[in-house]
Amino acid sequence: ETGVTQSPTHLIKTRGQQVTLRCSSQSGHNTVSWYQQALGQGPQFIFQYYREEENGRGNFPPRFSGLQFPNYSSELNVNALELDDSALYLCASSRGPETQSFGPGPRRLVL
Amino acid sequence: KNEVEQSPQNLTAQEGEFITINCSYSVGISALHWLQQHPGGGIVSLFMLSSGKKKHGRLIATINIQEKHSSLHITASHPRDSAVYICAVKYGGSNYQLIWGAGTKLIIKP
Repeated sequence: ETGVTQSPTHLIKTRGQQVTLRCSSQSGHNTVSWYQQALGQGPQFIFQYYREEENGRGNFPPRFSGLQFPNYSSELNVNALELDDSALYLCASSRGPETQSFGPGPRRLVL
Repeated sequence: KNEVEQSPQNLTAQEGEFITINCSYSVGISALHWLQQHPGGGIVSLFMLSSGKKKHGRLIATINIQEKHSSLHITASHPRDSAVYICAVKYGGSNYQLIWGAGTKLIIKP
């Protein structure tokens, strides 16, 4: 069974730039959720995509946007990067409401 | 006040000790996860609970829905158990949104 994978592993950007993070969901899963984990804190829900549509959103500004593709992989896009966007970004996929599979490791974005 | 509170924030113990990490939540939930996060590594789901108790190897998780409280226990702790342990609750209807605790950093000394 193919697990959840994320890319790239690390990113260094400057303020004002744009970034795209990618997530391949586990085989058989049609839902992807994205989380941001700031240093020393628990992950915060950004949004969820289900069958290519946004299916829920946390308290993040519109410069955080996403996509889900027909193969259920997903992208997280962040525009006009700010220093506070420096964090680990975690992707999780699910087949339904009961389980989630998490990526092999959060991906660090450093500004 | 955070919707999910964990205690302690940090815990250092000697190898072999019995470990307890607590999680309290203030919202209505349908399930609670215990997860393990290693430095620079991935997050591993240890348990998902909606009632009662689950055991896997040296790990035991319990939940009391009425008291809105869950505990994660580690018996015969080992240095390889050193990690951050996170409690997350499933909240809401069809959206599988998790609300996460801040985590408990556990260090087991040999």
